[in-house]
Amino acid sequence: DTGVSQNPRHKITKRGQNVTFRCDPISEHNRLYWYRQTLGQGPEFLTYFQNEAQLEKSRLLSDRFSAERPKGSFSTLEIQRTEQGDSAMYLCASSFEPAGPPREQYFGPGTRLTVT
Amino acid sequence: SQQGEEDPQALSIQEGENATMNCSYKTSINNLQWYRQNSGRGLVHLILIRSNEREKHSGRLRVTLDTSKKSSSLLITASRAADTASYFCATANQGAQKLVFGQGTRLTINP
Repeated sequence: DTGVSQNPRHKITKRGQNVTFRCDPISEHNRLYWYRQTLGQGPEFLTYFQNEAQLEKSRLLSDRFSAERPKGSFSTLEIQRTEQGDSAMYLCASSFEPAGPPREQYFGPGTRLTVT
Repeated sequence: SQQGEEDPQALSIQEGENATMNCSYKTSINNLQWYRQNSGRGLVHLILIRSNEREKHSGRLRVTLDTSKKSSSLLITASRAADTASYFCATANQGAQKLVFGQGTRLTINP
């Protein structure tokens, strides 16, 4: 399967714990996006990378959140000191965009985080 | 924050009927995209329409864009049970490198 993959698919953690999610994009895609989606809502942009450079972060991304994309390949999203409000589906998407506005994005299946 | 507003929030029709969903947005855009999401899954890209296009077709899908009204519609013809999903519009705003999604329309096709 050459699509976008995310691990784990589900994560249950206790409040205050740290969690890390991984996204493996489609190999030739240079852009990688992270979104958060809560029940009944559309995805909300968190951050994106062009190759290994993190070019934009949403104000939703508090200092408890950090994302990396070493060597422009896979990406990780870490949440420190989780709070119940962090419970959501975390979606990763990738695209190939040499320049210009965003084109179609390819989404992974998501990681569902539940903070108890 | 989400820019798009989708209408209706939920739609239930019989198999074989056509389904129309609408999306309104607030700022100037480069393109507008529609995505489908089956329950608990990731999103699947359906169609992209550029700001200088007015209508686009893909199989049973027809998308229109009216930039003067800042609105778009997605028409699914001859609906099937497998079309049951949530549908989201997403805008690529001018000067921005990210997509802004609407809240979605939940479509249910009854057999």
